Amino acid sequence: EPEVTQTPSHQVTQMGQEVILRCVPISNHLYFYWYRQILGQKVEFLVSFYNNEISEKSEIFDDQFSVERPDGSNFTLKIRSTKLEDSAMYFCASSEAASGSWLTDTQYFGPGTRLTVL
Amino acid sequence: EDKVVQSPLSLVVHEGDTVTLNCSYEVTNFRSLLWYKQEKKAPTFLFMLTSSGIEKKSGRLSSILDKKELFSILNITATQTGDSAIYLCALYPPGGGNKLTFGTGTQLKVEL
Repeated sequence: EPEVTQTPSHQVTQMGQEVILRCVPISNHLYFYWYRQILGQKVEFLVSFYNNEISEKSEIFDDQFSVERPDGSNFTLKIRSTKLEDSAMYFCASSEAASGSWLTDTQYFGPGTRLTVL
Repeated sequence: EDKVVQSPLSLVVHEGDTVTLNCSYEVTNFRSLLWYKQEKKAPTFLFMLTSSGIEKKSGRLSSILDKKELFSILNITATQTGDSAIYLCALYPPGGGNKLTFGTGTQLKVEL
């Protein structure tokens, strides 16, 4: 069964460093997402991406964040200058569409990257 | 902010018990409501509910949506230890947009 994959599973970095989190969405999906979950808190939306551009972003997704689809399979989240409060589990998700149909709108999540900022 | 509230926050049951998890929300006009199961890491999809009153069923799990009373329930019958997880409810917003708004989750522990 197709699944979303993410690398690395755990990333440890120093405050102020740049990190790139990588995701490979399900191959026929067109919409890609990043969410994060700070330990003990809700899963929070960061950004959605379609047709090589951001379609929606949250207040959390400020100038230190960027997303990119560098090739036909990868989808990346870059955090330019990490802060302690960026420590969280980052989930990538993908969906076939966002058309209102349950068949195509369901978002499938990857296993996550645990980011620890020291 | 669209508000999604789940209850209880946590519960412990014995194998074979039936549980009902609740998700209430304050948004009156949304596209669909989703249930996910989160074990060690990634939320895994369970159900998407769009229409009120129509039950979705998968094995021992079932879910229904009540758009008038603004809630959904997830039922698990004959619980097993493998059902232990956090169960998440999430909404798609009204109109367009693909941002899922998640609830706090219910942590279920099934003991022998």
